[in-house]
Amino acid sequence: GNSVTQMEGPVTLSEEAFLTINCTYTATGYPSLFWYVQYPGEGLQLLLKATKADDKGSNKGFEATYRKETTSFHLEKGSVQVSDSAVYFCALSVTTGNQFYFGTGTSLTVIP
Amino acid sequence: EPEVTQTPSHQVTQMGQEVILRCVPISNHLYFYWYRQILGQKVEFLVSFYNNEISEKSEIFDDQFSVERPDGSNFTLKIRSTKLEDSAMYFCASRHPSGYEQYFGPGTRLTVT
Repeated sequence: GNSVTQMEGPVTLSEEAFLTINCTYTATGYPSLFWYVQYPGEGLQLLLKATKADDKGSNKGFEATYRKETTSFHLEKGSVQVSDSAVYFCALSVTTGNQFYFGTGTSLTVIP
Repeated sequence: EPEVTQTPSHQVTQMGQEVILRCVPISNHLYFYWYRQILGQKVEFLVSFYNNEISEKSEIFDDQFSVERPDGSNFTLKIRSTKLEDSAMYFCASRHPSGYEQYFGPGTRLTVT
């Protein structure tokens, strides 16, 4: 079947630290991969996406590379800020227009 | 920037009551979705809707649930007779025909007592 596994949280980092949130997937087809972010009290916002193998999605200093050989889409940021504190969700879609499959979400807190 | 809106932000209802959750998708989007997230669990797909009909639904979306696009702007989720286990955050999403990504609303927290 289709599923996404994310690293367990919560994650607490100091400002300017390096962030990695692991995401691996299983898919019956050839998926598109996404990272969504949810700030406190807000909805899910698309952070970045990649639609084919070796694509790198990037936005706001965050990056993730679609690795078909390891079925992974790890989220990274070189230097986190307090404003990055949020919950991060990895997701996949196997067929355009059909449902998204989400991971459990990883809560990130960045302290000054 | 256009966004998906949802009302109410929080709904409290008694078991057995009907609730309607409302969503206004982004205006030029044609694909609409409902998801839910029970506290501490994954975001789960409920249903997708296109061209005025359901295109896909999950096992969760049983006869107690229904969706409707009553006019050109609203997209609603109705739960006919709520159960305690329906307590969750419900997210609406929409998608433009040319894109892969779905755009989500802020969610409605449903509490069934």
